[in-house]
Amino acid sequence: QSVLTQPPSVSGAPGQRVTISCTGSSSNLGAGYDVHWYQQLPGTAPKLLIFGNINRPSGVPDRFSGSKSGTSASLAITGLQAEDEADYFCQSYDNTLSGHVVFGGGTKLAVL
Amino acid sequence: HLQLQESGPGLVKPSETLSLTCTVSGGSINSSSSYWGWIRQPPGKGLEWLGNIYFSGDTYYNPSLKSRVTISINTSKNQFSLKLASVTATDTAVYYCVTQLYGDHATSWGQGTLVTVSS
Repeated sequence: QSVLTQPPSVSGAPGQRVTISCTGSSSNLGAGYDVHWYQQLPGTAPKLLIFGNINRPSGVPDRFSGSKSGTSASLAITGLQAEDEADYFCQSYDNTLSGHVVFGGGTKLAVL
Repeated sequence: HLQLQESGPGLVKPSETLSLTCTVSGGSINSSSSYWGWIRQPPGKGLEWLGNIYFSGDTYYNPSLKSRVTISINTSKNQFSLKLASVTATDTAVYYCVTQLYGDHATSWGQGTLVTVSS
């Protein structure tokens, strides 16, 4: 049971827009902590995709965008491409039990 | 360009201690903005943060594993290490070493190493 809740899977056709949600609570996203997103391509280590809710590291296409409001956050991918097929994880900080880093359970994106 | 590389046994017996080392290259482990952490991923499952350490030696652990986890740092070798005691089959996972900016998001990841707990 992950502290942050993500849908297990989403799908879309090439060129479409998809969103992945990440729902938390008053002890993490609702407390104002930032959300970050990672992309994990099959057989590889995760890669930072979005940090500080909305920021893209150098090299990440602007097709990827993030948002956060209250206890929820979203990752949006526009102009879906076959190479976007991967697992996506959200991450934040939770202030219970002396505080610690927490992840969502992950969402598998299928490009149809 | 910062690179991290995990090393250690790929097979550990139940009840024993899992030990891994991460070697950092392309940058200094003494960076004032970086925390050095461990994240694991059981086969086919999600990510779990184990803890991290600052170059000063200050450590932060996942409360659910705190009693079994020890992270240490060797600044002279640009390495940091993980020890997980009393392992069981549920500790079987790919273990990643990472650098966390200000202890938060992980900006660089090692390639990961699979550790299997089995007799």
